[in-house]
Amino acid sequence: DAGVIQSPRHEVTEMGQEVTLRCKPISGHNSLFWYRQTMMRGLELLIYFNNNVPIDDSGMPEDRFSAKMPNASFSTLKIQPSEPRDSAVYFCASSLAGELFFGEGSRLTVL
Amino acid sequence: SQQGEEDPQALSIQEGENATMNCSYKTSINNLQWYRQNSGRGLVHLILIRSNEREKHSGRLRVTLDTSKKSSSLLITASRAADTASYFCATGPGGGYQKVTFGIGTKLQVIP
Repeated sequence: DAGVIQSPRHEVTEMGQEVTLRCKPISGHNSLFWYRQTMMRGLELLIYFNNNVPIDDSGMPEDRFSAKMPNASFSTLKIQPSEPRDSAVYFCASSLAGELFFGEGSRLTVL
Repeated sequence: SQQGEEDPQALSIQEGENATMNCSYKTSINNLQWYRQNSGRGLVHLILIRSNEREKHSGRLRVTLDTSKKSSSLLITASRAADTASYFCATGPGGGYQKVTFGIGTKLQVIP
């Protein structure tokens, strides 16, 4: 299996632009997580899905953030409009039985 | 908010020495996991210990869990330069609810 695949690996954008991060979980996994990692705040859980349904989105910082999982093999995290404080590494992880498998992350820089 | 807190935040040791990292958490858990992150990479799962277990081994790793103190420790024996990474504990409340939250990590440096 190829593991969790995230794209893009790096994104540089200007404040106010829309950013879409993509994730393909491991086939057969039924849970998907989006995390954000910064030096100041560490790893923050933004949202997680179970069987494609959002279960807990209490970590989504504000309405500018939205996440979707239209099917078991694809999820997106969208930021609109982006702000410099959104600069971070965004990780997607999938799970079947407790152990999380992480992608390599999408490093976002908002200028 | 973070559930777990690792201690120390940074640790520097010589190759061959043992490294011990601690994790404290606040609420009841179903399991506790340890992960490793190399610089610029995603996290990799190391070991999971369930709330009814007290100790678990995997290769050079030994994890203990004390639910009465809400704490866990990760011991890496005979450390190698390749063990240099950040180590995170993660807790899950279980009961079908898989909200897994991470501490801020311990940055381990193993000097060759």
